[in-house]
Amino acid sequence: QKEVEQNSGPLSVPEGAIASLNCTYSDRVSQSFFWYRQYSGKSPELIMSIYSNGDKEDGRFTAQLNKASQYVSLLIRDSQPSDSATYLCAVNRVLTGGGNKLTFGTGTQLKVEL
Amino acid sequence: GAGVSQSPSNKVTEKGKDVELRCDPISGHTALYWYRQRLGQGLEFLIYFQGNSAPDKSGLPSDRFSAERTGESVSTLTIQRTQQEDSAVYLCASSPGLAGVSFSSYEQYFGPGTRLTVT
Repeated sequence: QKEVEQNSGPLSVPEGAIASLNCTYSDRVSQSFFWYRQYSGKSPELIMSIYSNGDKEDGRFTAQLNKASQYVSLLIRDSQPSDSATYLCAVNRVLTGGGNKLTFGTGTQLKVEL
Repeated sequence: GAGVSQSPSNKVTEKGKDVELRCDPISGHTALYWYRQRLGQGLEFLIYFQGNSAPDKSGLPSDRFSAERTGESVSTLTIQRTQQEDSAVYLCASSPGLAGVSFSSYEQYFGPGTRLTVT
């Protein structure tokens, strides 16, 4: 089982719709979760962080965390063509002796169609 | 403020040559990370620095790869005797690290990357 799993997509949604991106993780002790957006040919950009169960909203983005189910999701409301990108889920694990390690999923490609 | 910077942005080298890639983290960030991303693939963790020590080198693919960091500043990733399979984008990220007191200390911010092509 991969540490962080995402459906590779592509996920196609019409402009204005809600895009739902999902991620599961295997390490139960993980405490910090992140969503990155990566445009083709560019580096990943942090768009959301979530640390406690429930929802966290920032503009058109909502991150959802369910630690019992080891599940993280990202909702994008009113999807725009400019949202077309690959979305990477990342899970943090604190290492013994300090420090931490971020493990990334392979990403879900989102296409927002006109 | 200034973000993470990397140089060079592109590097073309011949098989067998050594290359050195540079990363300047965000000022004040104590943690620094190197990743590799092959074309169409996910992010592959290489090495992590906390200050100038490297608690986790588990991702370095072979002994041809090494990295160092000067204090809590610049890091260099060196690849010796490059091979064609080393061709990839090498990404550097930094985070506030242990200097922070909240989970946001673990938020990583990426540089633009160095595209390495080995011919």
